[in-house]
Amino acid sequence: QKEVEQNSGPLSVPEGAIASLNCTYSDRVSQSFFWYRQYSGKSPELIMSIYSNGDKEDGRFTAQLNKASQYVSLLIRDSQPSDSATYLCAVKNYGGSQGNLIFGKGTKLSVKP
Amino acid sequence: GAVVSQHPSWVICKSGTSVKIECRSLDFQATTMFWYRQFPKQSLMLMATSNEGSKATYEQGVEKDKFLINHASLTLSTLTVTSAHPEDSSFYICSAPSRMAFSGLKDEQFFGPGTRLTVL
Repeated sequence: QKEVEQNSGPLSVPEGAIASLNCTYSDRVSQSFFWYRQYSGKSPELIMSIYSNGDKEDGRFTAQLNKASQYVSLLIRDSQPSDSATYLCAVKNYGGSQGNLIFGKGTKLSVKP
Repeated sequence: GAVVSQHPSWVICKSGTSVKIECRSLDFQATTMFWYRQFPKQSLMLMATSNEGSKATYEQGVEKDKFLINHASLTLSTLTVTSAHPEDSSFYICSAPSRMAFSGLKDEQFFGPGTRLTVL
């Protein structure tokens, strides 16, 4: 069974610090990876997508992908209290339905003022 | 980006009744839509894939006769929870792939705001 693993947290960082979120996946053929942010009671919101090995930066967010290690990470620089949410790692499923996402359980991030 | 809407945003019903949830793509056509379910403190789990003009594909363990899916047009998919029971109480979220998804160039999905179902 294809799996996406994340530490559930909570991860607590002080305001202004770097938050580091990690994710591993089991399907070696995976090619598309996503980080979603989900506030309590709300739907997931796309933060970053990454398809190639290496780093991808967008504002305060940097996604890192290492396909050989089957590892994806998300760095949040200058963390703000508004970044407090659950971060979901998702991987596109190539073998099953037409492109659904397989989600990890999420890491709860708390940014303390 | 593309917008996906869901209606209702929340619903409370009595055990044994049926509830219909609508998912609409507002500014693009979606031949495929995905229905996910999220229980408290759990992640999103795919329930079924809705395909316009054909039968839905259900994930293992999801009862197709209980969760009826209809994808009648390129912008609307509906999920009907029949004879709902308290254990069906959950957050139901639909999503649609971006236009570029099947070309492999871009695999992003657009999520609806979700429907909170509470069955008493």
